[in-house]
Amino acid sequence: QVQLVQSGSELKKPGASVKVSCKTSGYTFINYAINWVRQAPGQGPEWMGWINTNTGNPTYAQGFTGRFVFSLDTSVSTAYLQISSLQAEDTAMYYCARVLNPVTTSPCVYWGQGTQVTVSA
Amino acid sequence: EIVLTQSPGTLSLSPGERATLSCRASQSVTASYLAWYQQKPGQAPRLLIYSATSRATGIPDRFSGSGFGTEFTLTISRLEPEDFAVYYCHQYASSPRTFGQGTKVEVK
Repeated sequence: QVQLVQSGSELKKPGASVKVSCKTSGYTFINYAINWVRQAPGQGPEWMGWINTNTGNPTYAQGFTGRFVFSLDTSVSTAYLQISSLQAEDTAMYYCARVLNPVTTSPCVYWGQGTQVTVSA
Repeated sequence: EIVLTQSPGTLSLSPGERATLSCRASQSVTASYLAWYQQKPGQAPRLLIYSATSRATGIPDRFSGSGFGTEFTLTISRLEPEDFAVYYCHQYASSPRTFGQGTKVEVK
């Protein structure tokens, strides 16, 4: 069965960096795009962008450029989200999610369990 | 950017009642690439409906979606205890993908 398993909660100081992993299994990794979604406390989900798992090409939503980097390690079917220069406003749950179909215009159906990133001095 | 506005913000209903949730888009959603998600506390969103009207695998038939263009609706025909949650509409037609602010369905 399809599974996306994310790395554990992180507590970081302002200015630090964090790297969240999303290990996938149960399907051919390079055939389905991975999206990243942020959800701040008490707020709705916010789409951060996606990465083409076949080419490695990332697309970032406005507001998630510069400090946010999507990457892959196809040898272990894992996607990564790295955030640098962390700020208190980055405190949120971060989800990876796999699209339903191997085409671009497809909703996310399989989700990781989420990784809580807390930024506090 | 397509802005999605959901109404009402909160829906107070009893088990067995019908729930009707609305989602209005600021511009037409191409090919009805509109989805509905359910989210419970501490859980990831769960895909219910995609392409405005198609139920995702394993979703009970009491959930149905309708609409096109800029007006979409999620209907829960008879609320079960496990249906009390927050529901989000989501458009994946154009970048950036966007979510509505959510409708909370709570027990009356």
